[in-house]
Amino acid sequence: AQKVTQAQTEISVVEKEDVTLDCVYETRDTTYYLFWYKQPPSGELVFLIRRNSFDEQNEISGRYSWNFQKSTSSFNFTITASQVVDSAVYFCALTGGFKTIFGAGTRLFVKA
Amino acid sequence: DVKVTQSSRYLVKRTGEKVFLECVQDMDHENMFWYRQDPGLGLRLIYFSYDVKMKEKGDIPEGYSVSREKKERFSLILESASTNQTSMYLCASSWGRNQVGELFFGSGTQLSVL
Repeated sequence: AQKVTQAQTEISVVEKEDVTLDCVYETRDTTYYLFWYKQPPSGELVFLIRRNSFDEQNEISGRYSWNFQKSTSSFNFTITASQVVDSAVYFCALTGGFKTIFGAGTRLFVKA
Repeated sequence: DVKVTQSSRYLVKRTGEKVFLECVQDMDHENMFWYRQDPGLGLRLIYFSYDVKMKEKGDIPEGYSVSREKKERFSLILESASTNQTSMYLCASSWGRNQVGELFFGSGTQLSVL
């Protein structure tokens, strides 16, 4: 069975702080994909990153970075120097076979 | 631009009614999905389809059925709506057979069952 756990329900930070959103997954598949999505207050989910199970390289995109560790089944997301516009709900997702499941999401509040 | 269009943004139905939620995508994606989103529960997969006329149950299929007669259209059916099916319903599509692409989402349908 597949499972995605985002243990942090809500995080509140002050602008310019760094923040890490945790994601732990379970799967029996050897080939799978991990994703992060952002859902801003406007509501529409936006894709941020995709990583396949054979690629454990960490990735940086501007202020965003992702740390994928198969040994701990984790795919954590760090925002450096957070901004108010980063306030949103962030979802981690896992695709195995054709099925994509999501974690419960982490709501991030960035205060000015 | 990939577009996933859901037929209604808001819908109000009565208990026991049959409800159809329609979703159309214009990017020739193989895979289509229906999720419901509830506060604190994230997105839960109801049904998905990886080909025309193919459907697979997700994690919470009870009370729902789906139809995929054409590649671009994936319909969610509530056979007899109940109040616990009040929720935000999200349709998504993705490309991929041997590789898997990211999901593209519609704007969602907020369904209220009274």
